[in-house]
Amino acid sequence: KQEVTQIPAALSVPEGENLVLNCSFTDSAIYNLQWFRQDPGKGLTSLLLIQSSQREQTSGRLNASLDKSSGRSTLYIAASQPGDSATYLCAAPETARQLTFGSGTQLTVLP
Amino acid sequence: NAGVMQNPRHLVRRRGQEARLRCSPVKGHSHVYWYRQLPEEGLKFMVYLQKENIIDESGMPKERFSAEFPKEGPSILRIQQVVRGDSAAYFCASSPAGSSGNTIYFGEGSWLTVV
Repeated sequence: KQEVTQIPAALSVPEGENLVLNCSFTDSAIYNLQWFRQDPGKGLTSLLLIQSSQREQTSGRLNASLDKSSGRSTLYIAASQPGDSATYLCAAPETARQLTFGSGTQLTVLP
Repeated sequence: NAGVMQNPRHLVRRRGQEARLRCSPVKGHSHVYWYRQLPEEGLKFMVYLQKENIIDESGMPKERFSAEFPKEGPSILRIQQVVRGDSAAYFCASSPAGSSGNTIYFGEGSWLTVV
C-alpha cells in the first residue's frame, strides 16, 4: 500500500526566497507523480506531472524532481511570492485509478 | 467554464438527513473520481466510476454511502443518515482515461457540515 509523506508540514519564508518542499513515497513502482496546489476553501490545481521516465519537470518558477530509487520527489519554488501561499500536495498512484496524497505542506510567503 | 463543476459548494445537514453531492466532469471526460478530505487530514480516495459503472469503490464506506454516474447527467455522491463524522470536503475529479499518465482535473469541492 502506497504511503506518501510530506515534510515540512508548514513553512513560512520571506518573499524572494527559493524553497524546497519534500515528498517521500513507499512504493517506488510508480509510473508518475503529481504535485498539486490547494488554496483555502478551494479545489486542487495540478502543477506538475512527472512521468517515471523523467527525472524532472519544469513550469515557470516551479521545478519538480523525481527519484524513484530513493522514493523521493522535491518541488522547488524559485523567487517565492506572496501569491505562492497555499498548501502543496504530492500524490502518487496507488493503482491506475487511485491517487494517494500526502498531508501537504502549508506554505506562507511573507511580503 | 469547462472545468469540473460541483454543487452545492456548501451544504448543511442535520444528523440523520441525506446529502446529495453532484459533479459534472470536464466535457468529454468519461471517468469520474470522488475523494474526501476530512478536517486536518489528506485527501482519501473513495470511488472511481465510468459511465453507468462503478469500477473501484474500495475507498467508500460500506454503509450509507453510494455513488452513481448515469448515462445522462452528473455523477452523484449520496450519503444517507449523515453523522457528524461525515463533515468534510468532498472533491470530484475527472479524466479522459484512467488517471495513469494523465493529469486529472479536480473540482472546487463540496463542503458538507453535519450539525
